Amino acid sequence: DTEVTQTPKHLVMGMTNKKSLKCEQHMGHRAMYWYKQKAKKPPELMFVYSYEKLSINESVPSRFSPECPNSSLLNLHLHALQPEDSALYLCASSQRMNTEAFFGQGTRLTVV
Amino acid sequence: SQQGEEDPQALSIQEGENATMNCSYKTSINNLQWYRQNSGRGLVHLILIRSNEREKHSGRLRVTLDTSKKSSSLLITASRAADTASYFCATVYYNQGGKLIFGQGTELSVKP
Repeated sequence: DTEVTQTPKHLVMGMTNKKSLKCEQHMGHRAMYWYKQKAKKPPELMFVYSYEKLSINESVPSRFSPECPNSSLLNLHLHALQPEDSALYLCASSQRMNTEAFFGQGTRLTVV
Repeated sequence: SQQGEEDPQALSIQEGENATMNCSYKTSINNLQWYRQNSGRGLVHLILIRSNEREKHSGRLRVTLDTSKKSSSLLITASRAADTASYFCATVYYNQGGKLIFGQGTELSVKP
């Protein structure tokens, strides 16, 4: 299984809602990533987990809260988002940091 | 910002022609990776080249790395319409804790 699965594929949420994005991989990878991508732009790194510990937080606002419950799962909890947070959110995993990353298909988030 | 630059930003060629994309980066790297992204979907890893390597091949893809010029190039030979996508280089810098940082990308259009 060489897939990274993200759910949901699409999400529309209001500015007062709380929602979560989920990401799962069964490749035994020990590094997992969240990226945010706006249209016509490159992916921007948000968070990195290495061996289930938060390794990198790219100064992301606290309305985004990552969680890594185990080595296969990565969540991104969303609360009180702004319309400018609308984007494609990509999850990725790699065997460890510094190696090739496998990406999920992303969650297209719209904040209204 | 550690983001690299890519050129050209957009490239349009005919099927059967070769496509060359260039990437420049800023400081010493651990490795450099190339990814493809079809419209609005997840990224697919193409090739990883380490800082001590100069050239790598994978099928119709050829990647070169010149650490003295801090640049890399991706050559796609005998292009096909299915190669139409955005191509990103991504660097893992030595002093950045293993972050995978994406360049601005090149939008390739291959016309049948």
